[in-house]
Amino acid sequence: DIQMTQSPSTLSASVGDRVTITCRASQSINSWLAWYQQKPGKAPKLLIYKASNLESGVPSRFTGSGSGTEFILTISCLQPDDFATYYCQQYNSYSLFTFGPGTKVDFK
Amino acid sequence: EVQLVESGGGLAQPGGSLRLSCAASGFTFSNYWMSWVRQAPGKGPEWVANIKPDGSEKYYADSVKGRFTISRDNGKNSLFLQMNYLGADDTAVYSCVRSKLGDLDFWGQGTLVTVSS
Repeated sequence: DIQMTQSPSTLSASVGDRVTITCRASQSINSWLAWYQQKPGKAPKLLIYKASNLESGVPSRFTGSGSGTEFILTISCLQPDDFATYYCQQYNSYSLFTFGPGTKVDFK
Repeated sequence: EVQLVESGGGLAQPGGSLRLSCAASGFTFSNYWMSWVRQAPGKGPEWVANIKPDGSEKYYADSVKGRFTISRDNGKNSLFLQMNYLGADDTAVYSCVRSKLGDLDFWGQGTLVTVSS
């Protein structure tokens, strides 16, 4: 089974900061990786698909990069609405999807 | 507007069963893979099961294999999850999710399943 890890688990930041979150897969998943944002009591929201493609309606300050086993989500200029928990998800095969454990972005 | 509305959650006894339903609207349901994803209180999302657009392929997480069954009725734009032999670890909010290429682009708000005696 493919395992996903994320770092850091918690990130303290301020409005205007550049933020990077790393996601690693236990084996190559090519570019089959998505990033989600989740706020308390809400369903996850798709931000990035296929590692680097911005979902429609998502602000351009969110960018995704990477392939193989290492992936990065970057928020170029953190906004108040961006304080949330972020999850990566691999979908190398429809027979098994796996989420990372999450990275909580909170106020410094 | 895409809508996914789950129902059927509630309190179940350990070893019991529940059947979840999801009503889909606003898109051509029969063109999409669909998934169930659950989230236990205070935890991250956990994928549960996938089903191909025509229902011919189904996949399950190891944690539910042999106990849960995913199905769909394309004529009624509906997705289902039959859950048997429920245990405390199955307590979670269960969400019906549309899958684009494996990424999960639309999520329902979920239905809470609580397993307790």
